[in-house]
Amino acid sequence: AQSVAQPEDQVNVAEGNPLTVKCTYSVSGNPYLFWYVQYPNRGLQFLLKYITGDNLVKGSYGFEAEFNKSQTSFHLKKPSALVSDSALYFCAVRGGFQKLVFGTGTRLLVSP
Amino acid sequence: DTEVTQTPKHLVMGMTNKKSLKCEQHMGHRAMYWYKQKAKKPPELMFVYSYEKLSINESVPSRFSPECPNSSLLNLHLHALQPEDSALYLCASSNDRASSYEQYFGPGTRLTVT
Repeated sequence: AQSVAQPEDQVNVAEGNPLTVKCTYSVSGNPYLFWYVQYPNRGLQFLLKYITGDNLVKGSYGFEAEFNKSQTSFHLKKPSALVSDSALYFCAVRGGFQKLVFGTGTRLLVSP
Repeated sequence: DTEVTQTPKHLVMGMTNKKSLKCEQHMGHRAMYWYKQKAKKPPELMFVYSYEKLSINESVPSRFSPECPNSSLLNLHLHALQPEDSALYLCASSNDRASSYEQYFGPGTRLTVT
């Protein structure tokens, strides 16, 4: 079965510093991977996806993610964090026809 | 435009009430989804409609009844709910073509069952 793991419940970073939110995956076949962000009391917003092609994927709001097949990872990154980036981040993998399998989520706290 | 709208934003209902949640998208997507999300947890898939037909029901109790009147609208009819059904209910849509599997989510309806 397809699955993703987010090993950190929370990531703390100071504003202006680079941030990384980790995700590892386990799939049979080619992985279709996604990152979503959720602000309090809001729906999920799509940030970026990896389907095929370049291992470095650029997305919304300055976020990018690096697909690493040998390490089965798809970490979310941003060169310079903003306080407004504080939110709950979900990694997801296509888990079958029309299904997304989500990780448990990582709370990102960016301090001023 | 990647907007999915949901109404109402908040809903409080008693265990004997009947209510409906509504979802609308105008992106031409042919797959629409209902999810349930508890606080600080990932969304849990409930139902999937593909081309206006129910394609996935994740063993959801019959007190939740989905309906897809047309390709832009998705409803979730609620009846005789339990307090543990209180959650954020999210609607999503996708066009389900290869290279476009991402789902776009609405803001959700915060449901409280008293």
